[in-house]
This record gives sequence, structure tokens and C-alpha cells, in this order.
Amino acid sequence: EPEVTQTPSHQVTQMGQEVILRCVPISNHLYFYWYRQILGQKVEFLVSFYNNEISEKSEIFDDQFSVERPDGSNFTLKIRSTKLEDSAMYFCASSSDGNYNEQFFGPGTRLTVL
Amino acid sequence: RKEVEQDPGPFNVPEGATVAFNCTYSNSASQSFFWYRQDCRKEPKLLMSVYSSGNEDGRFTAQLNRASQYISLLIRDSKLSDSATYLCAVLPNTGNQFYFGTGTSLTVIP
Repeated sequence: EPEVTQTPSHQVTQMGQEVILRCVPISNHLYFYWYRQILGQKVEFLVSFYNNEISEKSEIFDDQFSVERPDGSNFTLKIRSTKLEDSAMYFCASSSDGNYNEQFFGPGTRLTVL
Repeated sequence: RKEVEQDPGPFNVPEGATVAFNCTYSNSASQSFFWYRQDCRKEPKLLMSVYSSGNEDGRFTAQLNRASQYISLLIRDSKLSDSATYLCAVLPNTGNQFYFGTGTSLTVIP
């Protein structure tokens, strides 16, 4: 069964450093998403991406964040100048359709900012 | 007002019991609804979509009540392996971001 994959599974970084989280969505999916989940809190939407551009973003997704699809398979989330409060699980998801269809989540990257 | 609200629980039920969770949503024009299951420190895994007519998958039944703006999940004959957090996800009528509830914690006790 096709699945979303993410690397690394755990990233530890110093405050102020840049991190890049990587995702490989399901191959025939067209819509890609990043969500985050701070420990003990709900899953929160960050951004959606379609046709090589951002289609929607939340208030959390400020200038510190950027996304890119550098090739035909990878979808990345870059966090510049990380803050302590960026520590969370970051989930990538993909769907075949932007409306109605289910979103399938990757296993997540646990980001720890020290 | 929160977009999606769930009773966080915890629900502790004996094996074999029937348990039901509700989830309310604030946007009456929301178009799609889903139940996800999340195990500790794992990703949300899709359990089932929720259709207007209601749908059933084995021991799991999902219902949508548009008039009262809630969705429900019923689990019959609970198994130990059903222990997890159950998240409802709502897709609004505009945009494609999911709004998740905080999740309802279920523990099935032997």
C-alpha cells in the first residue's frame, strides 16, 4: 500500500538554526500539506501546496517557514531561525484531490529545538 | 469559538463494550468529515470518512448530523487494540485545510 514517508524521524537543532524537513508524498497525489502537533495539543494546519505553489496557509505559517517541491517526488518544509516553540511533530500529508478526499499522513518528524 | 470540538475523555471501557464519541463543528457549510485514529506519538491514520447517510465498517459506525452540526463514531465490541486517541477532522467548504479536534482518548481495559 502506498504511503507518505518523511525524513528524518527526529531532528535536534539549536535555536536560531535552519532546518529542512523532507517528505515524499504518495506518488499519484497532487495536493500536499504540512501540519504540526505540539506535544499534548491538537494537530494544526500549516500549509497546503498544489501545482507548485502554496494554495492555502495558516497564521502559523509566517515568513519563518517556506515550502518547496524541488523535484518530482520530494516536498520540503524549511524553518529558518528556529525558536524553542517550534519544537513539535511535523506531519506531511497528501491527497489525490483538494476537496472531499482523504488526506494521508506520513509518520512525522519530531523537531526538538534546544 | 473553536472550529471543531471533542470531549477529550478519557474514556475507559471494558473489552466488548460499545462506546460512542461525538464531535461538533462550527462551520455549517463544512463539506467533508473524517475520523482518524492516532496512537501515542504516531501519525493520524484515517479510520473512516463520514457520509451524510452514515457509514459502517465492521465494528465502526460513523454518522453525520448536519442539523445539529456534529459527527459521531460508534465502536462496538471494543478490543484492546482500539485503545488510541480518536480525532475528528472537518474540511470546510472553502479551502482544503483540515480542522482537527483535540481528540478523544480511549482505553479499552481487559
